[in-house]
Amino acid sequence: EAQVTQNPRYLITVTGKKLTVTCSQNMNHEYMSWYRQDPGLGLRQIYYSMNVEVTDKGDVPEGYKVSRKEKRNFPLILESPSPNQTSLYFCASSPSSQGNQPQHFGDGTRLSIL
Amino acid sequence: AQKITQTQPGMFVQEKEAVTLDCTYDTSDPSYGLFWYKQPSSGEMIFLIYQGSYDQQNATEGRYSLNFQKARKSANLVISASQLGDSAMYFCAMRELYSSASKIIFGSGTRLSIRP
Repeated sequence: EAQVTQNPRYLITVTGKKLTVTCSQNMNHEYMSWYRQDPGLGLRQIYYSMNVEVTDKGDVPEGYKVSRKEKRNFPLILESPSPNQTSLYFCASSPSSQGNQPQHFGDGTRLSIL
Repeated sequence: AQKITQTQPGMFVQEKEAVTLDCTYDTSDPSYGLFWYKQPSSGEMIFLIYQGSYDQQNATEGRYSLNFQKARKSANLVISASQLGDSAMYFCAMRELYSSASKIIFGSGTRLSIRP
């Protein structure tokens, strides 16, 4: 089954404790992206990647890191999480960075930073 | 700079009525794509419909259609014969197709509630 898999689905942690949210897709997609969803703000793009070893900042990259060492994986790293990073996070992928292909989304990761 | 505006935070509609969800956008790129996604209470994001800036006709997918008015920079989603299962959050999104930035931006969403 074609899918984008995020882990964990839920995480409660404390300020400053490094964490990684994994994202994997099995569709051989070139384009992958991370979003955070906050009430009243919709989804905001954190980072995106157009292919292996190619990443770029979205609109809200501060406090986050990503890497794209393999085509299928695009982990989101919070080196020193803070309470303002409490949010619902989505990973998404699409075949390429252009064209009319919609993104496939993971089921989301709800992070609570205390 | 890209911008998407959804001016209706919430809407209530009677079952079986048609509903229009508003979306206006701003971009300097002549080539772009517009997407609508549905997010039910379970949280997943479901792709509904796509409209390209050069498409001559309005997009349709089953009960969903897009009222695309390029000169007004609006891409409203129309849901015909609404059903209880249409109750969800709806997001409009835009991608500049030939921009090297390849960013995708979303509106703030509209929460649609269908009354029985």
